[in-house]
Amino acid sequence: AQKITQTQPGMFVQEKEAVTLDCTYDTSDPSYGLFWYKQPSSGEMIFLIYQGSYDQQNATEGRYSLNFQKARKSANLVISASQLGDSAMYFCAMNTGFQKLVFGTGTRLLVSP
Amino acid sequence: NAGVTQTPKFQVLKTGQSMTLQCAQDMNHEYMSWYRQDPGMGLRLIHYSVGAGITDQGEVPNGYNVSRSTTEDFPLRLLSAAPSQTSVYFCASSPSSGSLGEQFFGPGTRLTVL
Repeated sequence: AQKITQTQPGMFVQEKEAVTLDCTYDTSDPSYGLFWYKQPSSGEMIFLIYQGSYDQQNATEGRYSLNFQKARKSANLVISASQLGDSAMYFCAMNTGFQKLVFGTGTRLLVSP
Repeated sequence: NAGVTQTPKFQVLKTGQSMTLQCAQDMNHEYMSWYRQDPGMGLRLIHYSVGAGITDQGEVPNGYNVSRSTTEDFPLRLLSAAPSQTSVYFCASSPSSGSLGEQFFGPGTRLTVL
């Protein structure tokens, strides 16, 4: 069975600093996709970044990068130069086919001035 | 494009009542799914559809029915609401059955069952 584990219930970071949110996954499928979503207090799910299991390079999207370590089955999200608007819940998710996402329990990030 | 839309945004039901949560997308996506989000548990898949006329169960399907008569619409029916179905419900769609790419989420429906 597929599983996503996020071990950090909450993280604090100061504005303009970088922060890493941890995610480990478990699957026996050779082909899968890994995602990070942001959920602000307003409740919507905002797509941040995607990494395919066969992608050779780590994905980057602006201030977001995904540190993909396949052998360790980890897909950590790195946010550089944190902003106050980054305060939100962050979910790691995995897709092993048919667009069925499996989510972790999330990490609440608080960015302080 | 409006993207993925969901109605209503909020709903309060009494135990035993039935209702339908509406979901529509205007992006001509093949795949549509329903998830529920409970506190501390992330999102869990209820039902999904790979195209019009085709649906299947996800991780937590009990108490819910779906149908997909058109590409655009994917309603979720609660047959006899229970307090355990109090949750936030998200509908999602994605463009390709063969892809492992992004899913687009609707704004969610917050349901309370008394």
